[in-house]
Amino acid sequence: DTAVSQTPKYLVTQMGNDKSIKCEQNLGHDTMYWYKQDSKKFLKIMFSYNNKELIINETVPNRFSPKSPDKAHLNLHINSLELGDSAVYFCASSSGQGFEKLFFGSGTQLSVL
Amino acid sequence: GDSVTQMEGPVTLSEEAFLTINCTYTATGYPSLFWYVQYPGEGLQLLLKATKADDKGSNKGFEATYRKETTSFHLEKGSVQVSDSAVYFCALRGGSNYQLIWGAGTKLIIKP
Repeated sequence: DTAVSQTPKYLVTQMGNDKSIKCEQNLGHDTMYWYKQDSKKFLKIMFSYNNKELIINETVPNRFSPKSPDKAHLNLHINSLELGDSAVYFCASSSGQGFEKLFFGSGTQLSVL
Repeated sequence: GDSVTQMEGPVTLSEEAFLTINCTYTATGYPSLFWYVQYPGEGLQLLLKATKADDKGSNKGFEATYRKETTSFHLEKGSVQVSDSAVYFCALRGGSNYQLIWGAGTKLIIKP
């Protein structure tokens, strides 16, 4: 029973398209995150939600819009995809806001052609 | 700003060898330090952590000691197994919002 699951695992699409990545956690955590891992493996936080409220919004193009319908779900919608959006996107969750112990999904590899 | 530097990989060792993966950091104040591990096809998971100077985190035979004087948090294991093959990430909790600042990850390959 996967704790943090994200779909799809792979996403290949054309420039200019709109796509979504879904994330769900069954750990009862209050906080969820989206991270982007670039080609050099650096992880960078994009967004953080606590109980459906946005608490961290790093410098991310507004083509990226997170949506949290409830505290167990945090989806990421990306409009007008660009080549530079190609990366691995990780969803994560934690029981508090303090980044003490994060549980990650297995990642979504996005390739924009 | 705060940053984490890890040794570049891949690191290739034979089974039962001694492992060290270097991690150094730059931070203001006294950050908490973490090692996360990512096994093939899985998400990252917390391996160990240390919250203050001279603390030693340990788990699954891995250890790391928070060294303030050398701003380091090197990961060690006395005898590695093939199942330890993974990517290891060092991180500190600092920066704005006390978020995690990550190293680039070090890929470890253990050969039987």
